[in-house]
Amino acid sequence: EPEVTQTPSHQVTQMGQEVILRCVPISNHLYFYWYRQILGQKVEFLVSFYNNEISEKSEIFDDQFSVERPDGSNFTLKIRSTKLEDSAMYFCASSAVWGRDTIYFGEGSWLTVV
Amino acid sequence: KQEVTQIPAALSVPEGENLVLNCSFTDSAIYNLQWFRQDPGKGLTSLLLIQSSQREQTSGRLNASLDKSSGRSTLYIAASQPGDSATYLCAVRRKTSGSRLTFGEGTQLTVNP
Repeated sequence: EPEVTQTPSHQVTQMGQEVILRCVPISNHLYFYWYRQILGQKVEFLVSFYNNEISEKSEIFDDQFSVERPDGSNFTLKIRSTKLEDSAMYFCASSAVWGRDTIYFGEGSWLTVV
Repeated sequence: KQEVTQIPAALSVPEGENLVLNCSFTDSAIYNLQWFRQDPGKGLTSLLLIQSSQREQTSGRLNASLDKSSGRSTLYIAASQPGDSATYLCAVRRKTSGSRLTFGEGTQLTVNP
């Protein structure tokens, strides 16, 4: 079964460093997402991306975050200057159709900021 | 603003029992509701997607129902097994924000052999 793959599975970084999380969405999907889950809290929406543009973002997704689809297969989340409170599991997801389709999630990238 | 609540927060049952997990949401203008399973430290596995026009969806031992007007969904698990132990999350997609899922806190299920 096709799946969303994410790398790295775990990253430890110093506060203030830049981090890039990588994702390969399911190949025929057109809509891409990032979510995060702080330990013990709900899964939260960060951003959705379609046709090389952000289609929606949450209040969490401020200027320190950016997303990019650098080629035909990868989708990345960059955190410019990490803070302690950015420590979380970051999930990439994709779907084929907007609105009504199943959204498929990857295994997550666990980010620890020290 | 959409709020999603799941009850109970945790549930422990003996193997073989049938069980029901509950999900409620405040804004009934939704496209669909999706149930997920999350194992500790792992990703989200989609179990069932139920569209706003549907009342039920079934997959194997799982059955999800949706009552959009009252803002409720249930996930029924038949003949539970220890391998069903996980956290179950529900998430809704609002019509005003079709690209985002709003999640509940989850129900942590333990099925004891």
